[in-house]
Amino acid sequence: NAGVTQTPKFQVLKTGQSMTLQCAQDMNHEYMSWYRQDPGMGLRLIHYSVGAGITDQGEVPNGYNVSRSTTEDFPLRLLSAAPSQTSVYFCASSNSGRALHTQYFGPGTRLTVL
Amino acid sequence: GENVEQHPSTLSVQEGDSAVIKCTYSDSASNYFPWYKQELGKRPQLIIDIRSNVGEKKDQRIAVTLNKTAKHFSLHITETQPEDSAVYFCAASLGYGGSQGNLIFGKGTKLSVKP
Repeated sequence: NAGVTQTPKFQVLKTGQSMTLQCAQDMNHEYMSWYRQDPGMGLRLIHYSVGAGITDQGEVPNGYNVSRSTTEDFPLRLLSAAPSQTSVYFCASSNSGRALHTQYFGPGTRLTVL
Repeated sequence: GENVEQHPSTLSVQEGDSAVIKCTYSDSASNYFPWYKQELGKRPQLIIDIRSNVGEKKDQRIAVTLNKTAKHFSLHITETQPEDSAVYFCAASLGYGGSQGNLIFGKGTKLSVKP
């Protein structure tokens, strides 16, 4: 199993550009989520999904869209990038049918918005 | 909503000493408390977790304690080694299934172990 994968690893955007961060998992996990990590701020939940076709907002959803058309994929879209979205983005997944709800993280995408 | 406070933000110890990181949470309904370790440039990785029906859990040099009455939990690392140097995050969630699994993280503790 590859686990949770993310692409790209690094990305530089100009203000106003759009892009999609890709996340995929091959563990048949129902639950997937996106976090952003900023220095001194920990990990903050952007959006999450409890299954295909179901998404919801987390703590910091503004400026981001998500969709979940399959169990495996959970892309994060930035419609009009802003410098405040410069961050490291982590995708995570878990099998919500199990106890403990252990979340497994992808390797991250480092995004810089100029 | 849930709020998790983590202290200290930085911690420096000598190799072989113990390290303790403390977290408090606000939502008394939270019942799952994982700890993640993140090395520089890497992803967070789960090192230990505890459920609310357990007061303490140990895995080799790492232990976690939970006080539900006081709403705080702690990570204890004994006999620290240089490879323990990393950022440690605590988190809390309501537990099982669906949105109840959403993790709220503390802001992290940077642990430095000096040889």
